[in-house]
Amino acid sequence: EAAVTQSPRSKVAVTGGKVTLSCHQTNNHDYMYWYRQDTGHGLRLIHYSYVADSTEKGDIPDGYKASRPSQENFSLILELASLSQTAVYFCASSDRGSNERLFFGHGTKLSVL
Amino acid sequence: GDSVIQMQGQVTLSENDFLFINCTYSTTGYPTLFWYVQYSGEGPQLLLQVTTANNKGSSRGFEATYDKGTTSFHLQKTSVQEIDSAVYYCAMRDMAGNYKYVFGAGTRLKVIA
Repeated sequence: EAAVTQSPRSKVAVTGGKVTLSCHQTNNHDYMYWYRQDTGHGLRLIHYSYVADSTEKGDIPDGYKASRPSQENFSLILELASLSQTAVYFCASSDRGSNERLFFGHGTKLSVL
Repeated sequence: GDSVIQMQGQVTLSENDFLFINCTYSTTGYPTLFWYVQYSGEGPQLLLQVTTANNKGSSRGFEATYDKGTTSFHLQKTSVQEIDSAVYYCAMRDMAGNYKYVFGAGTRLKVIA
């Protein structure tokens, strides 16, 4: 069974602090994604990667950085956390084929105070 | 740019009612269309997908159809049950080179017993 594991499951951060969200997949997938979920906005793409050591900007990359040190791991970094970044963050992976689906992790609930 | 519009934010039904959720999409490429379901406290998971070639998909009593003329695709179920209460997302994967997924805003379904 394809698996995507996120850590931590929840986090409380202070405004201006640095936050790192981690994601690990055992699917042997090329593509990994970071989404943000907010009520009324659905799932919005922050960053994605299709190969190790390379990341691409998604639709809402401002205030976020990403790192893909290996095929299995993909991190989302908030260098200076802000109140507006309070949300649930989902990591996902997919294979390269045209009809391949996304496999999501359970999400990380981030509260910035 | 690519977009998916999902207008129904919340739907409340009684058990055995008919469910219909509609999405429209816009792209210059050749998309594959998906429906994802998200149960409380979990990440989204694939419900079913529809390729343009097939025009229809089905899973777990749900059926999705695709209308190329109106660039719309919808999800329906003849008789919903309380366990179907969840958030449903339509999504599109752009095959035009970057393999991004674009999601609708989501429809929260509440089924009353």
